[in-house]
Amino acid sequence: DAKTTQPTSMDCAEGRAANLPCNHSTISGNEYVYWYRQIHSQGPQYIIHGLKNNETNEMASLIITEDRKSSTLILPHATLRDTAVYYCIVRLGAGNNRKLIWGLGTSLAVNP
Amino acid sequence: GAVVSQHPSWVICKSGTSVKIECRSLDFQATTMFWYRQFPKQSLMLMATSNEGSKATYEQGVEKDKFLINHASLTLSTLTVTSAHPEDSSFYICSAPGQGSVALHFGNGTRLTVT
Repeated sequence: DAKTTQPTSMDCAEGRAANLPCNHSTISGNEYVYWYRQIHSQGPQYIIHGLKNNETNEMASLIITEDRKSSTLILPHATLRDTAVYYCIVRLGAGNNRKLIWGLGTSLAVNP
Repeated sequence: GAVVSQHPSWVICKSGTSVKIECRSLDFQATTMFWYRQFPKQSLMLMATSNEGSKATYEQGVEKDKFLINHASLTLSTLTVTSAHPEDSSFYICSAPGQGSVALHFGNGTRLTVT
């Protein structure tokens, strides 16, 4: 699976949009981009995933560049409860039985 | 839907004793479950893949005789840390693939402290 690069930490003001970048320059054509987050001392939580097109759900939006070498997770109106470590993961296929390779993620701090 | 329950949420045990951690899929069946370990300020490391009705698959460097995994039913997998030592103190997390979903669903983890 392709390796991803994320900033170590980011800050965001409450109520503002949080834009979390991820570089995956070695991604191959059939690899998906997944985002999970982990609130302190809890298990990770699935947020969103995509292949080529931008995606949106009730939690976030995922913007994937045309060359697919990078993506951005957008939390449109960040709240204090969005403070967490956000993981960008690239993996082959959309099936969920393959193991995920976890990096260190981005520690997002939402400030009041 | 797709809730994974992990128990206990924390446990303190003495060195040399064994600890069992349970992972249950509450509203769906899981033929596969994954067990992870996470040390402070580090990422999740996959320890093993638990397969219902067959032997677990362990990642390189994980001792299968120390970390016993049993997946006896479609909704329950257990991880037993045998002869625990202080270096086994960590955050253990299980996950299961949701039916009809591409997401992995995670338990809330078990904080193990070995004294």
